[in-house]
Amino acid sequence: GENVEQHPSTLSVQEGDSAVIKCTYSDSASNYFPWYKQELGKGPQLIIDIRSNVGEKKDQRIAVTLNKTAKHFSLHITETQPEDSAVYFCAASISAAGFQKLVFGTGTRLLVSP
Amino acid sequence: EPEVTQTPSHQVTQMGQEVILRCVPISNHLYFYWYRQILGQKVEFLVSFYNNEISEKSEIFDDQFSVERPDGSNFTLKIRSTKLEDSAMYFCASSETGHGTEAFFGQGTRLTVV
Repeated sequence: GENVEQHPSTLSVQEGDSAVIKCTYSDSASNYFPWYKQELGKGPQLIIDIRSNVGEKKDQRIAVTLNKTAKHFSLHITETQPEDSAVYFCAASISAAGFQKLVFGTGTRLLVSP
Repeated sequence: EPEVTQTPSHQVTQMGQEVILRCVPISNHLYFYWYRQILGQKVEFLVSFYNNEISEKSEIFDDQFSVERPDGSNFTLKIRSTKLEDSAMYFCASSETGHGTEAFFGQGTRLTVV
């Protein structure tokens, strides 16, 4: 089945710096790649997603890139702020007869220091 | 903003007891999911549910687990005879359509089996 690897497991940056989190997936049939932010005591919240027919997507300070050939996708956060501190999960979605099953990466704990 | 709500937020139960975790998905959503997250680990898919039946389940979702949509608004996960290793955060999610659309997660129920 699908396997998603995520790096790094922890990432510390200074406020204003950029942060990059990388994921790889194993199943070339995966075609939907969401990124979730999880704050302490809360459920995962979607921050951006990308479909396999697109190579890059941007939403203000957040961007995601996808390389289907290499089976890599990455999250880029620019001008980081302390409120960006959280655990970030990448995921890949496999369609089974149209139903969604998200396979998550292991998570990256991002700490943004003021 | 519509949200997925889960109750209770924390459940402590004796090993061998049955527990029911409850979820109210977003009202116009048709696809429902349960995921779990053991402390410090990745979020794992348990089951997806559509049109009053299970559409896919993982190997974790064995005979001790069951799901139900008893009244058209609630979506429940029952664990029949809890084991210590069932201790985890359980997340309910829902999506408007199937594959490739945003899955909205609830805030989770922390299950502790003692």
